Amino acid sequence: EAGVTQFPSHSVIEKGQTVTLRCDPISGHDNLYWYRRVMGKEIKFLLHFVKESKQDESGMPNNRFLAERTGGTYSTLKVQPAELEDSGVYFCASSQDFFWDEQFFGPGTRLTVL
Amino acid sequence: DQQVKQNSPSLSVQEGRISILNCDYTNSMFDYFLWYKKYPAEGPTFLISISSIKDKNEDGRFTVFLNKSAKHLSLHIVPSQPGDSAVYFCAASSSTNAGKSTFGDGTTLTVKP
Repeated sequence: EAGVTQFPSHSVIEKGQTVTLRCDPISGHDNLYWYRRVMGKEIKFLLHFVKESKQDESGMPNNRFLAERTGGTYSTLKVQPAELEDSGVYFCASSQDFFWDEQFFGPGTRLTVL
Repeated sequence: DQQVKQNSPSLSVQEGRISILNCDYTNSMFDYFLWYKKYPAEGPTFLISISSIKDKNEDGRFTVFLNKSAKHLSLHIVPSQPGDSAVYFCAASSSTNAGKSTFGDGTTLTVKP
């Protein structure tokens, strides 16, 4: 069974540019999460999809971030325009059940904004 | 304000000895706790969890202890092996918002041969 995959693995962009990160969850997992780790600190929750619906987007930092999950399969996270403080590692995770089920994480996308 | 704290950024242990990683939380609504292990260039991997109705959960070499009154949990690894060297994250969630996990900063464990 394939795990959670993320693309790209690394992205280096200039401040003001747009970047789109993609996450493919484990097949059959309705729950998809985005997290971010900045400067080696804690892994911070961004948002949670159940199928194609946003269950909780309380962690999205501002309206420069847009997450979508059309069709309830893969998800994209777009940052537009990117700022220096957006640099970090963006993790995607998925789980089969909503409640008290461990999440399977992807390898992350390292985003560097110059 | 950070709700889950791992106050030790790093820990070094000799192979075969016990590793104890600590985690403190402030939110009384948290009732489910997890530990994840992370190797470089990989995502976190689930290790072990505990519900607030328990005070101990054991899985092989890994045991998690929960002290609800102190809002403290710990992960014990016995015996420690060099392959255990990784970053360990403590995470907490609430049954009122089960999809959202709150993580600590992580503790880097180094097990020396």
